[in-house]
Amino acid sequence: DTAVSQTPKYLVTQMGNDKSIKCEQNLGHDTMYWYKQDSKKFLKIMFSYNNKELIINETVPNRFSPKSPDKAHLNLHINSLELGDSAVYFCASSPAIAREVSEQYFGPGTRLTVT
Amino acid sequence: QKEVEQDPGPLSVPEGAIVSLNCTYSNSAFQYFMWYRQYSRKGPELLMYTYSSGNKEDGRFTAQVDKSSKYISLFIRDSQPSDSATYLCAMRTGANNLFFGTGTRLTVIP
Repeated sequence: DTAVSQTPKYLVTQMGNDKSIKCEQNLGHDTMYWYKQDSKKFLKIMFSYNNKELIINETVPNRFSPKSPDKAHLNLHINSLELGDSAVYFCASSPAIAREVSEQYFGPGTRLTVT
Repeated sequence: QKEVEQDPGPLSVPEGAIVSLNCTYSNSAFQYFMWYRQYSRKGPELLMYTYSSGNKEDGRFTAQVDKSSKYISLFIRDSQPSDSATYLCAMRTGANNLFFGTGTRLTVIP
């Protein structure tokens, strides 16, 4: 069974469109994340979210919004897509409390291409 | 300046070689240090972790942390072609958010 899954795996769309990427985890974790990995492989946190708190990286444009229908899902909605949004987006999850090892499990990624 | 610096490589070594991968960082509040391995078109997977300074060994892999120098290393002994991947260092404070290096792309040549 896949621990963290994302759909779609590939997404090609035009500038100005609105799109969503879905993420689901079956690990029972309370905290979920979205990361962006650019063409140079740099992986950067966008959001972390648990039942109580959404932490937004201040550099993330407000066109990006996470939506969590329940504890096992954290979807990423993007408005007015721009060329610079092209990247691979990874969802991850971890236990709620940052213990000594708070391993984050990553999904397979969604490769977004904006044309 | 990025909080975590890592040489992107690429790094090519012959099979059986010892590989040394390194990261430096600037935030002295980082306490937890991790190495992730990412195969092409896949998500990162946790390989090694250490808390504070010291060494940790797991099979062919050894992770070292030197907090006084703000320097961490991953050593791979007897490297195998299956080790070919991008290796990302990551670290965090007591909070959950991870800060990643840019990753080093490693190729082990049979």
